[in-house]
Amino acid sequence: AQSVSQHNHHVILSEAASLELGCNYSYGGTVNLFWYVQYPGQHLQLLLKYFSGDPLVKGIKGFEAEFIKSKFSFNLRKPSVQWSDTAEYFCAVNPPGAGSYQLTFGKGTKLSVIP
Amino acid sequence: ETGVTQTPRHLVMGMTNKKSLKCEQHLGHNAMYWYKQSAKKPLELMFVYNFKEQTENNSVPSRFSPECPNSSHLFLHLHTLQPEDSALYLCASSSRDRNYGYTFGSGTRLTVV
Repeated sequence: AQSVSQHNHHVILSEAASLELGCNYSYGGTVNLFWYVQYPGQHLQLLLKYFSGDPLVKGIKGFEAEFIKSKFSFNLRKPSVQWSDTAEYFCAVNPPGAGSYQLTFGKGTKLSVIP
Repeated sequence: ETGVTQTPRHLVMGMTNKKSLKCEQHLGHNAMYWYKQSAKKPLELMFVYNFKEQTENNSVPSRFSPECPNSSHLFLHLHTLQPEDSALYLCASSSRDRNYGYTFGSGTRLTVV
């Protein structure tokens, strides 16, 4: 079955450490890619998105993600994390197909940042 | 506040009860969605409404019944649920121009006892 895979269930980092969260998808063709963040007790928020163009996408709060088509990957990065980045991060894919409104989500990666 | 409002925030119901979840958006979006978020599982798409018409129903049991009376309101009617239906139910909306992605509500935490 076509899917979105997030490799890490729980990542624990110290403040100022660099972050990379993996996301792979199994859809062929043109896809739209998203990262969402869910802070404790809050709603899901869009962090960044990729539709076309420059494969290096910059989002809010210093996050960026790189689309590597040959690897079917869209990894999320941040050079220096802060305690306030503690949250759960979800990768999502809008599968190819005209008129498709679906987002397929990964299982999420919980990030804990230790002060 | 996200622009997508879900009520109630928490709901505890017995297996024989009937209840409804409500979602409201005033963002001018034309598509609305119900997702189920369970611990350690991916977000599961349940229903999609596009311009009030249901376009997706991902094999959801009939004990979940959606209703979309207009493009701003979405309901999820619940009856004879099972304990395994306990989860966070998220509503989202999006614009026809998908460049905006989804806007999510804060969810309804449902507990079935």
